[in-house]
Amino acid sequence: GAGVSQSPSNKVTEKGKDVELRCDPISGHTALYWYRQRLGQGLEFLIYFQGNSAPDKSGLPSDRFSAERTGESVSTLTIQRTQQEDSAVYLCASSLVLGNEKLFFGSGTQLSVL
Amino acid sequence: DAKTTQPTSMDCAEGRAANLPCNHSTISGNEYVYWYRQIHSQGPQYIIHGLKNNETNEMASLIITEDRKSSTLILPHATLRDTAVYYCIVRAPFLEKLTFGTGTRLTIIP
Repeated sequence: GAGVSQSPSNKVTEKGKDVELRCDPISGHTALYWYRQRLGQGLEFLIYFQGNSAPDKSGLPSDRFSAERTGESVSTLTIQRTQQEDSAVYLCASSLVLGNEKLFFGSGTQLSVL
Repeated sequence: DAKTTQPTSMDCAEGRAANLPCNHSTISGNEYVYWYRQIHSQGPQYIIHGLKNNETNEMASLIITEDRKSSTLILPHATLRDTAVYYCIVRAPFLEKLTFGTGTRLTIIP
């Protein structure tokens, strides 16, 4: 596709449920990043992937959060046992290679935990 | 990443030049200055980056002071579509992630 695609665009869930968010990066981009943005705040780094290297999970806020990526394709971010403080926009970005200055972002998934 | 300081908000009249300042007094010699913007309900968009020389592209100009402790992003002829939050970020090359602050909310006034 032409840009980074994220789905769903909106997700409403009940506290305690698991959710899975999907990101389709730009074709040919080897690096993929997940960020979280709470209402009125800046972006909070969560995790990045570069090719088949081990991901940097240093930004994941708790062990309820996990992410996977197969090769240089789709990535999924999973949040288990969701809490109300998980409510935020989850943004995915990709770049040609890790450290490239130009990140391309998707429009995000708005997650609301009731 | 070195920290940056930006005004919380700014207004600019449509058609005028918008000048967005950023202080990065602790920037290291190998750190670049990056600018991104985030229009409402969208993900951030890359604008421009530079090391020490002034840079210009189709979107904006970046002016970096000689001591590199501050910079200014210039949108030469602001339009209503330039209303967004503008993020100034410093980062050494090839580091893995960009760290976004809270940015400057720029409002273009008709």
